[in-house]
Amino acid sequence: GDSVTQMEGPVTLSEEAFLTINCTYTATGYPSLFWYVQYPGEGLQLLLKATKADDKGSNKGFEATYRKETTSFHLEKGSVQVSDSAVYFCALSSGSGGYNKLIFGAGTRLAVHP
Amino acid sequence: GAVVSQHPSWVICKSGTSVKIECRSLDFQATTMFWYRQFPKKSLMLMATSNEGSKATYEQGVEKDKFLINHASLTLSTLTVTSAHPEDSSFYICSASGHRMPYEQYFGPGTRLTVT
Repeated sequence: GDSVTQMEGPVTLSEEAFLTINCTYTATGYPSLFWYVQYPGEGLQLLLKATKADDKGSNKGFEATYRKETTSFHLEKGSVQVSDSAVYFCALSSGSGGYNKLIFGAGTRLAVHP
Repeated sequence: GAVVSQHPSWVICKSGTSVKIECRSLDFQATTMFWYRQFPKKSLMLMATSNEGSKATYEQGVEKDKFLINHASLTLSTLTVTSAHPEDSSFYICSASGHRMPYEQYFGPGTRLTVT
């Protein structure tokens, strides 16, 4: 079945460092891909998304490009801030129509220190 | 906008009892609600999908008689864990989507259930 694999955390960085969180997927169809973020004590929030190959999703300085050839959707940010400390989930939509059920990766905890 | 709340945020119950978790969309009408379960350091696992006024669709392996889901209104869905056992202890998260943004899910903060 469809699945999402993302790098294990925690990822610990200093402020202004470059961030990459790897995400790869397996899917039988053409899924849409998402990154969600969960700040401490809060629900999951959609960070960015891409609905087809070569699309780049971006938001709040974060970017991810839908790479069909490598089945990847790696999350990047050029300069992280302490406020970016959270758990990041990669996800894909499963089912025709582009958005139906979500399948999540295990989550990667990011800790940014001043 | 698009705020989803859950109540309670945590609950402790004894084995054999039932516990109800509420999921509310506070500022939009949720035509579809989803219930997830999250184990420590694991993915969110979809348990069921419910549309307002109709029976929930359960994922394979999820016992519908144990996890009762009701979506009686456009702003409220409930998950009742019946005859709870320690292995039901987990973090339960709901999400909701509505007419305006049918392809986006808005998540609640989750409910931590501990069964003793």
